[in-house]
Amino acid sequence: KAGVTQTPRYLIKTRGQQVTLSCSPISGHRSVSWYQQTPGQGLQFLFEYFSETQRNKGNFPGRFSGRQFSNSRSEMNVSTLELGDSALYLCASSLAQGFGEQFFGPGTRLTVL
Amino acid sequence: AQSVTQLGSHVSVSEGALVLLRCNYSSSVPPYLFWYVQYPNQGLQLLLKYTTGATLVKGINGFEAEFKKSETSFHLTKPSAHMSDAAEYFCAVSGSGGSNYKLTFGKGTLLTVNP
Repeated sequence: KAGVTQTPRYLIKTRGQQVTLSCSPISGHRSVSWYQQTPGQGLQFLFEYFSETQRNKGNFPGRFSGRQFSNSRSEMNVSTLELGDSALYLCASSLAQGFGEQFFGPGTRLTVL
Repeated sequence: AQSVTQLGSHVSVSEGALVLLRCNYSSSVPPYLFWYVQYPNQGLQLLLKYTTGATLVKGINGFEAEFKKSETSFHLTKPSAHMSDAAEYFCAVSGSGGSNYKLTFGKGTLLTVNP
């Protein structure tokens, strides 16, 4: 069974631009969570989607948004990029919103110049 | 609210030596606890998890961890380190559902294995 895939793997953007990242969960998984990883702040929860609905949200500004499609694929969008948004963005999928055995993708490395 | 503290941002051991990575947690609900490993330029891989039941949990690659409620700890051990164990290790806690479902991670411990 294929794992979690994330595209693109690397992105370079400039301040003020917006970006969309994509995540395809493991087949059959209906819950998708997003995390931001930076050297300073570590791994931080962004949001979680289940059945096309946002179920949980972390402490990030409204510039960070996401959505989930009927096939469970998810996208996250960051508008008006800031230098501090440079990070590895990780997507994780699980069968359902439950006890949290989440399977992670390889991440998208975003660099904001 | 939940939080995780990993003691030691960097641990260095010799090949064949005991690996001990420390994790303490705080949780207002019964915790589910996890250890993940991250190799360079890769995502996170689940090593082991504790949800309910037996407090000594065995994971992949010879790792194990013991849930000690009285000490709010979930330390990761491996009897004999291998060069391939060099990576960053993250301890995480979550609740069982609702707003507690998200994973809260520690800052990570970088494990170096010396020949």
